[in-house]
Parts: sequence; structure tokens; C-alpha cells
Amino acid sequence: EAGVAQSPRYKIIEKRQSVAFWCNPISGHATLYWYQQILGQGPKLLIQFQNNGVVDDSQLPKDRFSAERLKGVDSTLKIQPAKLEDSAVYLCASSLELGSLSSGANVLTFGAGSRLTVL
Amino acid sequence: AQKVTQAQTEISVVEKEDVTLDCVYETRDTTYYLFWYKQPPSGELVFLIRRNSFDEQNEISGRYSWNFQKSTSSFNFTITASQVVDSAVYFCALYGNNRLAFGKGNQVVVIP
Repeated sequence: EAGVAQSPRYKIIEKRQSVAFWCNPISGHATLYWYQQILGQGPKLLIQFQNNGVVDDSQLPKDRFSAERLKGVDSTLKIQPAKLEDSAVYLCASSLELGSLSSGANVLTFGAGSRLTVL
Repeated sequence: AQKVTQAQTEISVVEKEDVTLDCVYETRDTTYYLFWYKQPPSGELVFLIRRNSFDEQNEISGRYSWNFQKSTSSFNFTITASQVVDSAVYFCALYGNNRLAFGKGNQVVVIP
């Protein structure tokens, strides 16, 4: 089974520039998550999709961050304009549909992450 | 609100020693799940174990074991006979109300 794919793995930009990250979840996983992990901290949820609908985006800084999941499969996370404090690893994860009776329904599988450095 | 606290930051052990990681959580949910994830230097978070709030039975899986005590809201994790490959950051996480919240992580360094 293929894992969660993310790209690019590394990105360096200057502040006020824009950047986009892409994620392809595990086939059949209805739920997709974007997490932000700042160095030395645990991952923090930015946004959660169920198919192509947003379940939770309460911690997404909507003035500069946006995300979409067209057609309920791939997802893109965009930052515009970037700030220094956005330097972090952006992790994408997927899981089976929320509320599924499957025993693995809430086990998240993570991608390798996209490391962003804002100068 | 959900909260996960991992008090220790970095733990160093000599190979073959046991290492125990502490995790304390807060939640108002009656149904929830607790997890341990491992993050090796490659950066990918790897699922290790999961326990639901109705099952306090402690188990052993290979060199991993866990101690879930609902009365003290703790979910501690032990690696027995540590190996160099166990060097990683370990995260305790709490799943409730459709959200997975992580602690700050424990950096484990296994010295050969």
C-alpha cells in the first residue's frame, strides 16, 4: 500500500513570498489532515477535511493560509504571504472516514512532511 | 479542550536499558483514544500503539508496553531493552471529538 505522498520535501522562500504544498493521501482514505510542526514542538492541526468538505479549520490562520481538497482526493495548502514564524514542517496525514466502525478509523498515517524555511 | 503533557524533553539511555515516557492528558470527552507515535530523524510520524478510553488493560507488544491509568489520566510508554534504532522523538496523542492533539514530544537518545 502506497503511503501519504507530499511535495516538495524542502522549500526556502523569503518573507512575503507565497508557497504551496501538495498532498496525496492513501487511496480510500476519506479524511485528510494538515498539521504544522514547529521545531521542538508537537504537530498542531491546521485543517481537517472529510472528502472535500472542511471538518475543522479553527486553528488555520485564514488571513494567510488556505487549503483545498478538490474532488476529495489530493489537497493543497497555500501560504500567502509567508512570515518568518511560518518556518516549520507541514505534515499531511490521512485516515479512514470519520465515524467508520473500522478499528483503524482514527489511526492517522502521516507523510514525510514538507520543510519550509522562511528567510 | 484537549491537552497532552509530556514533561520530559530529552532522555538519554545506554543501549539495552529500559526507558519509560510519561504522558498526562486532559479531556472532557467520555470516549477518546490515546496514541503513541514515533518520529525518527527522517521526519515521518509512525503509529505505534492505540488504546481506547474503555480499555485500561495494559499490554506488551514486542519491546513496547504501556500503562494506561484513567484515574490519574496517564498513558505511559516503555521501551524495553532499548536499541540505537529507538532513537527518535516520541509523541503521545489524544483523539477525541474528531481531533488528534499531540504533546510536545520526548527526544530519546540511545547511546551504543
